[in-house]
Amino acid sequence: GESVGLHLPTLSVQEGDNSIINCAYSNSASDYFIWYKQESGKGPQFIIDIRSNMDKRQGQRVTVLLNKTVKHLSLQIAATQPGDSAVYFCAERSGAQKLVFGQGTRLTINP
Amino acid sequence: GAVVSQHPSRVICKSGTSVKIECRSLDFQATTMFWYRQFPKQSLMLMATSNEGSKATYEQGVEKDKFLINHASLTLSTLTVTSAHPEDSSFYICSAREWSGAYNEQFFGPGTRLTVL
Repeated sequence: GESVGLHLPTLSVQEGDNSIINCAYSNSASDYFIWYKQESGKGPQFIIDIRSNMDKRQGQRVTVLLNKTVKHLSLQIAATQPGDSAVYFCAERSGAQKLVFGQGTRLTINP
Repeated sequence: GAVVSQHPSRVICKSGTSVKIECRSLDFQATTMFWYRQFPKQSLMLMATSNEGSKATYEQGVEKDKFLINHASLTLSTLTVTSAHPEDSSFYICSAREWSGAYNEQFFGPGTRLTVL
């Protein structure tokens, strides 16, 4: 069945460094991908999305890369700040179907 | 972005009682709403999808008679956990989408923490 998984369950980075969070997906029919940030006790917060006809999209301090050949998605956070500490989920969707969430990566920032 | 609210934010109830959770889209009309459940240190698992005015579509393994979903208006959906038991304790999150277009963003509520004693 469909699955979206993450390579690393935890990631620890130094404040100011760049963070890269990876995600693998298995549904080749997925055409829309989203990264969410979830802080403790809160709902997911939209960070950035990308459609399958693109391979890169940039936002404020964040970049999402999509490699459809190997079904890989990554989220890059530039100059990581303490406020970036959270669990990050990738999610994928095929057309108007349901969102499928990955297992999540916890990002911790070292001062 | 659009705002989705949930009420209550947390609820503690006794085993056997029923609990209702409300989900509201505050500044847009949500033709589709989704209910997720999240256990500690786990991902979000979709429970059901509801379209305004229609019966909800439940995911495999989710008991429709236990988790009653009502989506009576374009801004309100409710999830009722009937005869709650300790294993129903979880973080329940709703999400709303403005229309059924493939790339339309889903907005998430802040979640409701349910604890069943």
